[in-house]
Amino acid sequence: GAVVSQHPSWVICKSGTSVKIECRSLDFQATTMFWYRQFPKQSLMLMATSNEGSKATYEQGVEKDKFLINHASLTLSTLTVTSAHPEDSSFYICSARAAEIQETQYFGPGTRLLVL
Amino acid sequence: EDKVVQSPLSLVVHEGDTVTLNCSYEVTNFRSLLWYKQEKKAPTFLFMLTSSGIEKKSGRLSSILDKKELFSILNITATQTGDSAVYLCAVKNSGGYQKVTFGTGTKLQVIP
Repeated sequence: GAVVSQHPSWVICKSGTSVKIECRSLDFQATTMFWYRQFPKQSLMLMATSNEGSKATYEQGVEKDKFLINHASLTLSTLTVTSAHPEDSSFYICSARAAEIQETQYFGPGTRLLVL
Repeated sequence: EDKVVQSPLSLVVHEGDTVTLNCSYEVTNFRSLLWYKQEKKAPTFLFMLTSSGIEKKSGRLSSILDKKELFSILNITATQTGDSAVYLCAVKNSGGYQKVTFGTGTKLQVIP
């Protein structure tokens, strides 16, 4: 089955630094990738949708200058948390959708960010 | 490698029918199993199961976990067209990282 990886799995950083999270589709071309943030009590919030070669579409309330998303190729999207603060500490999950199978999303394993 | 398999992939039923969605898993250091409903944007959290045999219920939806046989089911009784969605199962492992592994979902379509 299709595999999506995220790197790093876990990152601890100091407040004010920037952190880049990668999301890769390993065996298929992902025309669309989604970035989610998981909150306590398991709810998932969609942050943005990125399409290869174009600017990401951010959900209301998500700061695009704070959470930079780049989808430079059909297998890679990156989320950069700029000037991270403790309130950005969370679990970030990406998912990818292949051009051929539009209805199925493949989720990555998530990246846990802890900002001190 | 952790794995979550959902079945069926897709299901079409008539309003009023009862459906059972299946989720089987293989994961190291199991912590919890989660069910989500995804309609348009972000999946909506439904249930978190950690113990075998204890049914969780919310309205017409219920779910149960079998940690010995490594599976969970999600039941929806008296289905309505508003239940049409993709239902996702995910398993979280224990430890600081708490990696989550999602299945690819079951697409449910309820027709009038």
